[in-house]
Amino acid sequence: QKEVEQDPGPLSVPEGAIVSLNCTYSNSAFQYFMWYRQYSRKGPELLMYTYSSGNKEDGRFTAQVDKSSKYISLFIRDSQPSDSATYLCASAANRGSTLGRLYFGRGTQLTVWP
Amino acid sequence: NAGVTQTPKFRILKIGQSMTLQCTQDMNHNYMYWYRQDPGMGLKLIYYSVGAGITDKGEVPNGYNVSRSTTEDFPLRLELAAPSQTSVYFCASSYSMTLKSANEKLFFGSGTQLSVL
Repeated sequence: QKEVEQDPGPLSVPEGAIVSLNCTYSNSAFQYFMWYRQYSRKGPELLMYTYSSGNKEDGRFTAQVDKSSKYISLFIRDSQPSDSATYLCASAANRGSTLGRLYFGRGTQLTVWP
Repeated sequence: NAGVTQTPKFRILKIGQSMTLQCTQDMNHNYMYWYRQDPGMGLKLIYYSVGAGITDKGEVPNGYNVSRSTTEDFPLRLELAAPSQTSVYFCASSYSMTLKSANEKLFFGSGTQLSVL
């Protein structure tokens, strides 16, 4: 069983739609949850960071973690064509050298069409 | 702001050839990483380094070697290229290895697309 599972899509939505991206994880020790955004032919960049359970909001983006069901979500409101990218979820346990044990999902490819 | 710079951007190798993927960062980060990203798959950690002269294996180290002689540079060496090493390789760096805040994040380069035929 993979540490982090993510549906690769692709997902295609019209501009202005609400987008929901999801991941599940298997390791109950995971405490850190992140979403990275990766544009075509570029490296990933951190979009959202959450520690433990709960919601985190940043502009049009909301990250949600439900530790009881081991479920990670990213919601994008009023989606824009510039949001077209691959979104990767990532998780890590609360141990030393955390970034050396960061597990990524497969990434979901999102296209927002005008 | 250069950040993390990787060269080359693209490379085609024949089976059995060797090559070095270059990575340099100008942010004075102690921590550097090499990931590979296969099509439709997540990033897998190959090796990482906590400082000059110190490296450690990640999840998929077989077939690769690394060295870290300076803070800035972290080259990845493929000694005997195999088709299974066809992938996109990303180098990353970070200020720390903990995740106490969103500032302690990975900074990625733009990647090297490698094909082994």
